[in-house]
Amino acid sequence: RKEVEQDPGPFNVPEGATVAFNCTYSNSASQSFFWYRQDCRKEPKLLMSVYSSGNEDGRFTAQLNRASQYISLLIRDSKLSDSATYLCVVAIKAAGNKLTFGGGTRVLVKP
Amino acid sequence: GAGVSQSPSNKVTEKGKDVELRCDPISGHTALYWYRQSLGQGLEFLIYFQGNSAPDKSGLPSDRFSAERTGGSVSTLTIQRTQQEDSAVYLCASSFPGVPQHFGDGTRLSIL
Repeated sequence: RKEVEQDPGPFNVPEGATVAFNCTYSNSASQSFFWYRQDCRKEPKLLMSVYSSGNEDGRFTAQLNRASQYISLLIRDSKLSDSATYLCVVAIKAAGNKLTFGGGTRVLVKP
Repeated sequence: GAGVSQSPSNKVTEKGKDVELRCDPISGHTALYWYRQSLGQGLEFLIYFQGNSAPDKSGLPSDRFSAERTGGSVSTLTIQRTQQEDSAVYLCASSFPGVPQHFGDGTRLSIL
């Protein structure tokens, strides 16, 4: 079983709609959580950190469920420019705070 | 610049040759990672350096791959006797431990 698992998608989303997807992690010692965004043929870039109480950044909302060991990302009012692969990342202190990436969820926003 | 710098940006070489890829992390970052990404695939972890600790080499796919980090700064990833399946984008990232990584632009490696 992979340490961090994501539905690869693609999620086909009409422009203006809401889309949400999850990421599950296997190591209960995971302590820090992030969402990255990767555009085609570009390097990954940090989208947002995920806090225990959940957090929002504009149209993006991230949630953490420690009991079920998953994090989620919700995108409201989807824009064409939101089309990308979204990577879930966890850090495990016991592993020297090594950051482990999921395989990514591809989102395609269409007009 | 202040970001992670990788060189070369592109490398084309013949099967069987050795290649060296270089990463200059952000100054002061103690953690350095190497990943590779084949076309249309996810990030594949290769190796993780953290300060003076022994590197986590658990992701290196074969003994043809090695990496070092001199003086806790610049890192070199070496691939010996390259094979066609080594063709990929090799990404380097640096960070403080456990905080978001900053990626370089990557080296696009093509093995003929």
